[in-house]
Amino acid sequence: QKEVEQNSGPLSVPEGAIASLNCTYSDRGSQSFFWYRQYSGKSPELIMFIYSNGDKEDGRFTAQLNKASQYVSLLIRDSQPSDSATYLCAPQLNSGGSNYKLTFGKGTLLTVNP
Amino acid sequence: GAVVSQHPSRVICKSGTSVKIECRSLDFQATTMFWYRQFPKKSLMLMATSNEGSKATYEQGVEKDKFLINHASLTLSTLTVTSAHPEDSSFYICSAREGWAGGYGYTFGSGTRLTVV
Repeated sequence: QKEVEQNSGPLSVPEGAIASLNCTYSDRGSQSFFWYRQYSGKSPELIMFIYSNGDKEDGRFTAQLNKASQYVSLLIRDSQPSDSATYLCAPQLNSGGSNYKLTFGKGTLLTVNP
Repeated sequence: GAVVSQHPSRVICKSGTSVKIECRSLDFQATTMFWYRQFPKKSLMLMATSNEGSKATYEQGVEKDKFLINHASLTLSTLTVTSAHPEDSSFYICSAREGWAGGYGYTFGSGTRLTVV
């Protein structure tokens, strides 16, 4: 069973603070890692993806990857109330040959308080 | 950016009937389509993967005779829920990828809320 673990939350942070979202995965074959944001009743929106160990920054978002620890995280700086959503971690797995697919964690509910 | 159009956004059907959900990639060729189901407060569960012109590959536990997937062209994939029952009520989401292998982005449709009464 290939698993993706995320703290379900809710994680509450005040507006302007840094929100830290964590994810661990079990399949060492995972190569790329995607972070999605999902508002209630809507489909996921891509925030960013990372495939190399270390940090990757995109605006207020920073993804961090440590393949040795099978750990990936997402930092949101200067959190805004509009960032309140469920954040989904999705490692990309090779299911055989050239077949790749995403496996989603249960997501972390983030609430940013004004 | 890449856009995937999914229709209908909401559908209510009677138990025993069939429902078809369409996903179209508007500005790129979707080599691979993924179909997910999401129950309230749960994560996305992959149901099946389809490559254009090939039979869909279903995940373990998903009934292929109940959830019919057609990916006849590079821009259109359909999911038909046959003989729907109340337990099939869920949020169904498609996702399209342009390339065959990793390294390409995944674009999601807006989802279909299915309610079976």
